[in-house]
Amino acid sequence: QQQVKQSPQSLIVQKGGISIINCAYENTAFDYFPWYQQFPGKGPALLIAIRPDVSEKKEGRFTISFNKSAKQFSLHIMDSQPGDSATYFCAASKAGGTSYGKLTFGQGTILTVHP
Amino acid sequence: DAGVIQSPRHEVTEMGQEVTLRCKPISGHNSLFWYRQTMMRGLELLIYFNNNVPIDDSGMPEDRFSAKMPNASFSTLKIQPSEPRDSAVYFCASRRVGTEAFFGQGTRLTVV
Repeated sequence: QQQVKQSPQSLIVQKGGISIINCAYENTAFDYFPWYQQFPGKGPALLIAIRPDVSEKKEGRFTISFNKSAKQFSLHIMDSQPGDSATYFCAASKAGGTSYGKLTFGQGTILTVHP
Repeated sequence: DAGVIQSPRHEVTEMGQEVTLRCKPISGHNSLFWYRQTMMRGLELLIYFNNNVPIDDSGMPEDRFSAKMPNASFSTLKIQPSEPRDSAVYFCASRRVGTEAFFGQGTRLTVV
């Protein structure tokens, strides 16, 4: 049973536009929500992460919005650039204990930013 | 820091053969994870170790898969016998308490 659902599967945005990727989770025990960015031929790399005690976290052009009651979170990329073209994965895990790094991933979103 | 090192980067093997994937975690990291990535199933956690001890192997598909971590600097994932449906990219990741998981560049396995 998939515990993290991600949409859309693919996204095309013009340079300078806003990219929005959404995720929903089922397991209420999750309390840590990272986003990973993956370029072709590379492993996923952490982009930004949030804990549910805040509703938003911003790092540069990247913002996570979190809605605990709806069990949803989203990634917003402002002023999207061609270099942002990659696959983005949302993930969820428990923040503490031995299962801290046990990430459950969404299916991924292929983002293409046209110049 | 060299990051998580996986070998080989690419592996092509015939159905029925044994395949061994290797991983060297980042020095000082005490947790190690094996993931499999396919178009159909996305990123799946196969198994993870804490302090060289397997903690959760519920993601290992079947008995054909096995993983070991004989010491803090080395882990293997073995498939015996391999099948075409095992074709995927296999990632190793490591972390230490309080940090994120860092992924290797992956091994692309093709079973023909």
